[in-house]
Amino acid sequence: GAVVSQHPSRVICKSGTSVKIECRSLDFQATTMFWYRQFPKKSLMLMATSNEGSKATYEQGVEKDKFLINHASLTLSTLTVTSAHPEDSSFYICSASSPDRGSMEAFFGQGTRLTVV
Amino acid sequence: AQSVTQLDSQVPVFEEAPVELRCNYSSSVSVYLFWYVQYPNQGLQLLLKYLSGSTLVKGINGFEAEFNKSQTSFHLRKPSVHISDTAEYFCAVDTGGFKTIFGAGTRLFVKA
Repeated sequence: GAVVSQHPSRVICKSGTSVKIECRSLDFQATTMFWYRQFPKKSLMLMATSNEGSKATYEQGVEKDKFLINHASLTLSTLTVTSAHPEDSSFYICSASSPDRGSMEAFFGQGTRLTVV
Repeated sequence: AQSVTQLDSQVPVFEEAPVELRCNYSSSVSVYLFWYVQYPNQGLQLLLKYLSGSTLVKGINGFEAEFNKSQTSFHLRKPSVHISDTAEYFCAVDTGGFKTIFGAGTRLFVKA
């Protein structure tokens, strides 16, 4: 299967600072990437859909000014949590897909554990 | 809108016993169905998927699932579980746009 890499796997930041999480498709070009958030012992909630070269589409209730998404190339999407607060602490997972792969599934990164102190 | 319901939040089972994790979905269009496993502090691993064709799908680690269109279900089964199967299992649906909608998850706890 395809490989999607997320970096960093864990990050601790101070309240009020910003942190950037990268999602890369290593062996295919991803026209679409998705960002999910998982609260402790909860399911994954879709935050936004990121299409290369265009603005991300955010799900209802997700603050686009707080969670900045950039999909500048076909292999990289970034999620920046701006002015982070303890309530932003969570597990963030990205997925990537491309119709060209002929496989009707999205491929998931290993996730990033964000802790805001 | 699509949704996924996992009927059991926790399933305790003894080692070597069979297990079934239940999943129902709702969608007005054709769907692709998936089961993922998540071990503590790790990402998602795809267990199996149903795209089309045979309704009985076999996956990794001895798991299988059956797609039942009339009952809108996609239950996951394993005939004999191991301690190492203890994890969180997520049923998910995709209507073809690669946007995956997840169920709430089922915690499988295998006891010795």
